[in-house]
Amino acid sequence: DQQVKQNSPSLSVQEGRISILNCDYTNSMFDYFLWYKKYPAEGPTFLISISSIKDKNEDGRFTVFLNKSAKHLSLHIVPSQPGDSAVYFCAASKVDSWGKLQFGAGTQVVVTP
Amino acid sequence: DTGVSQDPRHKITKRGQNVTFRCDPISEHNRLYWYRQTLGQGPEFLTYFQNEAQLEKSRLLSDRFSAERPKGSFSTLEIQRTEQGDSAMYLCASSLVMGGDVRFGSGTRLTVV
Repeated sequence: DQQVKQNSPSLSVQEGRISILNCDYTNSMFDYFLWYKKYPAEGPTFLISISSIKDKNEDGRFTVFLNKSAKHLSLHIVPSQPGDSAVYFCAASKVDSWGKLQFGAGTQVVVTP
Repeated sequence: DTGVSQDPRHKITKRGQNVTFRCDPISEHNRLYWYRQTLGQGPEFLTYFQNEAQLEKSRLLSDRFSAERPKGSFSTLEIQRTEQGDSAMYLCASSLVMGGDVRFGSGTRLTVV
């Protein structure tokens, strides 16, 4: 039962432009969402998170938007840089089982010069 | 903050052998998690501890898998009688009990031949 879905397996974007990654979830009990970046042969690196009581969180070039009614969140990276080329995972958790994360399948981002 | 440390980074074993992996969490984190990731998928939750107590085990965790965190610090994950389907990246993560971020180690890549 895939409760977190990333429907775009890949995304190609030009350097300097905006990358928009999308994530949908089915379980309305999720109340915390996280984005991770992963390079090959490494563990996921935390990027940014958002609580369900917010609809936007920003950290430098990264902004996460949450639309609870649509059960949808997105990650915006602007401007995109070559070092952003990686696989990005969306994850969700419930407060009463903190850290037990449900992950999407990931989106491969390639930033081209 | 020295990060989450996992050992070994890579393990190749013959089918039927037992293997053990170690994870050292971030020192102030009292929750520790084990995840498994296969190619093209996001990490899947296996089990987690709060201090030395194992709070939950996924149904993915067969009887051949056992995890311990004897003193509430480092943890070990043992797989007995390995099978080729056990080949995956095994990820350890840690966090505070509530709030904050879930930080991952670099993982142990297991190959069963």
